[in-house]
Amino acid sequence: EPEVTQTPSHQVTQMGQEVILRCVPISNHLYFYWYRQILGQKVEFLVSFYNNEISEKSEIFDDQFSVERPDGSNFTLKIRSTKLEDSAMYFCASSPQGPRGEQYFGPGTRLTVT
Amino acid sequence: GENVEQHPSTLSVQEGDSAVIKCTYSDSASNYFPWYKQELGKRPQLIIDIRSNVGEKKDQRIAVTLNKTAKHFSLHITETQPEDSAVYFCAPRRDDKIIFGKGTRLHILP
Repeated sequence: EPEVTQTPSHQVTQMGQEVILRCVPISNHLYFYWYRQILGQKVEFLVSFYNNEISEKSEIFDDQFSVERPDGSNFTLKIRSTKLEDSAMYFCASSPQGPRGEQYFGPGTRLTVT
Repeated sequence: GENVEQHPSTLSVQEGDSAVIKCTYSDSASNYFPWYKQELGKRPQLIIDIRSNVGEKKDQRIAVTLNKTAKHFSLHITETQPEDSAVYFCAPRRDDKIIFGKGTRLHILP
């Protein structure tokens, strides 16, 4: 069964550095999402992406964040200048039906900012 | 802003008994109501969902009921088993705007 994949599984970076988290959605899915989960807390929506555009974003997704689909398979989340509070698990998800359909989550990337 | 509340935050039940978790939401335009299960260190996985034109849905030991008037939906797990121990999140949606509840930690006691 196809799955969403994410790389790396764990990223350690210094405060102020840029990071790029990578996701490969399921191949026939058209809707893509990023979420984050601070340790022990709830899952928080960051952004949704469809047809090469952001369709929704949360208050967390400020100017430090950006998303891109650089080719036909990857979907990336960039954090320009990381802060300590960006430390979290970042999950990518994809969906064939978008707003009213199931989302399939990737295994997550644990980001540690020191 | 929109608000999603889950109750209880922690629930312990004897193996074989039933568990019920309730999710209350504020956005009356929400139209899709999923429940996710997350085991420690793993990704959230959809276990059951319901759309706004349906009141109840069942899949083996798991069921979801929706009350759109009262703006809440509930997860029911019957004949609980040890592998049901996890954190459960509701995540009501309107279009692509998604808000997760804070989660309910379910412990199944032997």
